[in-house]
Amino acid sequence: QVQLVQSGAEVKKPGSSVKVSCKASGGTFSSYAITWVRQAPGQGLEWMGRIIPILGVTNYAPKFQGRLSITADKSTTTAYMELSSLRSEDTAVYYCAREEMGSPYYFDYWGQGTPVTVSS
Amino acid sequence: SSELTQDPAVSVALGQTVRITCQGDSLRTYYASWYQQKPGQAPLLVIYGKNNRPSGIPDRFSGSSSGNTASLTITGAQAEDEADYHCNSRGSSGNPLYWVFGGGTKLTVL
Repeated sequence: QVQLVQSGAEVKKPGSSVKVSCKASGGTFSSYAITWVRQAPGQGLEWMGRIIPILGVTNYAPKFQGRLSITADKSTTTAYMELSSLRSEDTAVYYCAREEMGSPYYFDYWGQGTPVTVSS
Repeated sequence: SSELTQDPAVSVALGQTVRITCQGDSLRTYYASWYQQKPGQAPLLVIYGKNNRPSGIPDRFSGSSSGNTASLTITGAQAEDEADYHCNSRGSSGNPLYWVFGGGTKLTVL
């Protein structure tokens, strides 16, 4: 079965960067997109961006443009989300999810989440 | 508009029917998908497309859409359905591509 396994919790200083990994297994990595979503404490879900691994094409939410980089390594079926210039408001749980490309759009498998705490 | 609007909280008596709604301009063009999230857990896809349920999702969950509003209906709510429910759709602008979530609805089963 499809599994997305994310890297462990991170604690970062303001102004630094964090890189979270998402290893996919049990499916055809290149046939889907990988999306990144975050959830601040007590808040809703926020779409950050996505990558189509087979093409290397990325799309980012406007608020993260210039600060967010999503990459993928087809050889290890792993996607990465790197967020730079961290501030306290970036404290959240970060999720990766598999996206079925083409309408209808949906995210059918999710990673377990990676807590990121930004604190001085 | 790039926003999806949900009621923050809804309650339902055990065994009764509840409808959770999601409003936004993008829903005139794209179907919503719905996610159930329990405390400390990752979201779980419950409805996608016109009215599709992934394997393992009970048939008491159904979806519908009209105009700029998508709805998730739970017919005969169970105690285990108490959770946050999030809607999502592709954004209404063609380029750049983006997706958007609603603010989430906390469902309480009484």
